[in-house]
Amino acid sequence: DGGITQSPKYLFRKEGQNVTLSCEQNLNHDAMYWYRQDPGQGLRLIYYSQIVNDFQKGDIAEGYSVSREKKESFPLTVTSAQKNPTAFYLCASSITGGNGYTFGSGTRLTVV
Amino acid sequence: GESVGLHLPTLSVQEGDNSIINCAYSNSASDYFIWYKQESGKGPQFIIDIRSNMDKRQGQRVTVLLNKTVKHLSLQIAATQPGDSAVYFCAEHPYFGNEKLTFGTGTRLTIIP
Repeated sequence: DGGITQSPKYLFRKEGQNVTLSCEQNLNHDAMYWYRQDPGQGLRLIYYSQIVNDFQKGDIAEGYSVSREKKESFPLTVTSAQKNPTAFYLCASSITGGNGYTFGSGTRLTVV
Repeated sequence: GESVGLHLPTLSVQEGDNSIINCAYSNSASDYFIWYKQESGKGPQFIIDIRSNMDKRQGQRVTVLLNKTVKHLSLQIAATQPGDSAVYFCAEHPYFGNEKLTFGTGTRLTIIP
């Protein structure tokens, strides 16, 4: 089955540590996205990539970094510079042509 | 649309009744609109979409209405079931070929048994 996989589902991090969230898709989608969702709130765009080796900042990129070395993979690193990283992180992908996004099942990050 | 970061509006509906969820979009040039459903702890799932050359589209128990004059989108769910309880997001596509969607704040729908 084609899909988009995020791992891990739950992640705990100590303050001051960097952590990387994985996102892999086998849908042959060109574009990939990372969103942050806080409890009871909507989706905020962190970073997106429309092609391999290229990515752009979204609305809340500070304290985050990404890479897009392969079409299938778009990992997100939450750095120690992110002041309030506890949130639910969603990865999505899409084809060129406007058919909407396919979302992963999310990673819940908690800073302890 | 509503600004991101605001807490979700809520809607409670008796099981078996119809529900209507509304969304105001921001860009008059948007040509494609999508409704997503997000259950607790899961990623959003596609429900139904509509292109700007249509004003109504029906799916199984769901209907999307588009009013371009007032930039308004609505999702009607018929004969609601407990499994319909979720957060519903509208999304707009600025123009064909640009894949970056703009999401509305979302509405939390609760079905009362």
